[in-house]
Amino acid sequence: DIQMTQSPSSLSASVGDRVTITCRASQDITNDLAWYQQKPGKAPERLIHAASRLHSGVPSRFSGSGSGTEFTLTISSLQPEDFATYYCLQHNSFPLTFGPGTKVDIK
Amino acid sequence: QVQLVQSGAEVKKPGASVKVSCMASGYTLTGYYIHWVRQAPGQGLEWMGWSNPNSGATNYAQKFQGRVTMTRGASMTTAYMELSSLRSDDTAIYYCARDASPYYYGSDALNGMDVWGQGTTVTVSS
Repeated sequence: DIQMTQSPSSLSASVGDRVTITCRASQDITNDLAWYQQKPGKAPERLIHAASRLHSGVPSRFSGSGSGTEFTLTISSLQPEDFATYYCLQHNSFPLTFGPGTKVDIK
Repeated sequence: QVQLVQSGAEVKKPGASVKVSCMASGYTLTGYYIHWVRQAPGQGLEWMGWSNPNSGATNYAQKFQGRVTMTRGASMTTAYMELSSLRSDDTAIYYCARDASPYYYGSDALNGMDVWGQGTTVTVSS
């Protein structure tokens, strides 16, 4: 199975801050990576697919990059509605595996 | 709009089974694989498997093999996930999610998920 790690596990930031989250895969997954945002009590929502492609309707302050084993999600200017937990997902091979999540909260 | 609507919360005793439904609206259920993902309280996301509502094919994570069954209803609008021999550590929110690419003969379910149901809370307690 492909193991996914994320760093940091949590972070505190202020509105307007630039935030970067890293996701690493235990083996090469090319660009078969998606990012999801989950708010408390809600289902996850896709932000990014194919490592860097913005899902329809997602604000342009979100961006993704990387390939192979290392990926990043960047929020260029954190907004109040962005405080949530973020998960990466590899869909290169079965079983699909998620990263453990990064919780972004208010400083 | 495209939606997946799941059945309501369930409370079950250890050893029982639970069957969660996932109704598609705004698109044809048989046109996409359906994934099932669960989330234990305060924990991360765990993929359980996929079903192909068109062919009936399934692929389960090894952890759940022998206990999970993913099917499609006769109405062809609803997918189901049944988990048997429930234990307390099966207490979780169970989500269905649509595979991100349309199904065609020979395609796989390696596309991630684009639309999620609202989740169904399953509590296992004696």
